Amino acid sequence: GEDVEQSLFLSVREGDSSVINCTYTDSSSTYLYWYKQEPGAGLQLLTYIFSNMDMKQDQRLTVLLNKKDKHLSLRIADTQTGDSAIYFCAPGVSGSARQLTFGSGTQLTVLP
Amino acid sequence: EAGVAQSPRYKIIEKRQSVAFWCNPISGHATLYWYQQILGQGPKLLIQFQNNGVVDDSQLPKDRFSAERLKGVDSTLKIQPAKLEDSAVYLCASSFGPGDSPLHFGNGTRLTVT
Repeated sequence: GEDVEQSLFLSVREGDSSVINCTYTDSSSTYLYWYKQEPGAGLQLLTYIFSNMDMKQDQRLTVLLNKKDKHLSLRIADTQTGDSAIYFCAPGVSGSARQLTFGSGTQLTVLP
Repeated sequence: EAGVAQSPRYKIIEKRQSVAFWCNPISGHATLYWYQQILGQGPKLLIQFQNNGVVDDSQLPKDRFSAERLKGVDSTLKIQPAKLEDSAVYLCASSFGPGDSPLHFGNGTRLTVT
């Protein structure tokens, strides 16, 4: 099955950029999602990238995909205290009934 | 668009008791998922429905967990009897279809088993 690895913790200063990394094992993944989870809440879809893309930009968010290395990253520009949360990457397979696989998530802490 | 609704938000029970959780997915979403999220971990799929049929329940502990989606809309997840290790957040998610569309999550039910 799919394995997803993320570093557990990341701390940045307010206004700096944050980069959250993710590696996965299933090369057949066609969609790669980023979810955000705030305390006491469910997972909120942030953005996603198709596997035939290298980069996607969405306002302050930039997703980079290295399909050869099965490495995904999420960059948050001008990080704000409201960005403090747990971030999960989740690869999916188009047209497959297979569910998304989540890693343990990265706890982002934004320091004032 | 209304989101995925779950109830209750919190539940505290003693071990060996039973508990049920309810989920109402986004209107028109055919696929419904139940995930278990233990503190400090990512969500783990328990069961996936496509309309009212089960697609994947390979990680559902069937000796104590059961789930149904009788009319292809709402779903309930039951635990009977509960164990201490069942303490977790139970997340319901729905999607338009499997594979091609993102999952939308509810806020979850936090279960504490004492």
